[in-house]
Amino acid sequence: RKEVEQDPGPFNVPEGATVAFNCTYSNSASQSFFWYRQDCRKEPKLLMSVYSSGNEDGRFTAQLNRASQYISLLIRDSKLSDSATYLCVVSGGFKTIFGAGTRLFVKA
Amino acid sequence: SAVISQKPSRDICQRGTSLTIQCQVDSQVTMMFWYRQQPGQSLTLIATANQGSEATYESGFVIDKFPISRPNLTFSTLTVSNMSPEDSSIYLCSVKPPDRVGGYTFGSGTRLTVV
Repeated sequence: RKEVEQDPGPFNVPEGATVAFNCTYSNSASQSFFWYRQDCRKEPKLLMSVYSSGNEDGRFTAQLNRASQYISLLIRDSKLSDSATYLCVVSGGFKTIFGAGTRLFVKA
Repeated sequence: SAVISQKPSRDICQRGTSLTIQCQVDSQVTMMFWYRQQPGQSLTLIATANQGSEATYESGFVIDKFPISRPNLTFSTLTVSNMSPEDSSIYLCSVKPPDRVGGYTFGSGTRLTVV
């Protein structure tokens, strides 16, 4: 089992749709969780951290379920500009593991 | 957040040669990280570069193949030595600024093609 697993997609959604990604992790001692966004041929950029209580940033909501060891990202009212690969990142101690990413295509 | 300047952005190299990638950060950071991202894959940590000491390499990566320099707190280089087509990948440097909770900042990446 991979340390961090994501559905690779691609997810093809129309503008305005709501889409959710899940990510599971295997190390129960993991302490920090993040979602990164990576555009084609660009470097990854931090989208948001994920807190135990859940957190929201505009159209984006991230949640953490420690008991089931997964994190989620919800995107509401999808825009064309949301098309990208979304990477789940899990940190524990000195180790940070990147998921392989979920590809999202938002179409007009 | 920190700004990282990474060079070159891309290169096409002959097998058997070496390429040195540079990363310059606009602030002092204790650790710099070098990653590799192969097409359609996630990021794999190559090594952690510490100022004043040898880099710490991850399993599967060795200093002879990927020598790293870290002469000060704002600069690091990664060399890909004796290249083969299997080294074709995107190489990224990264830092974790102390004022940014958890998040890594990445350089723009070096797209390497070995022919």
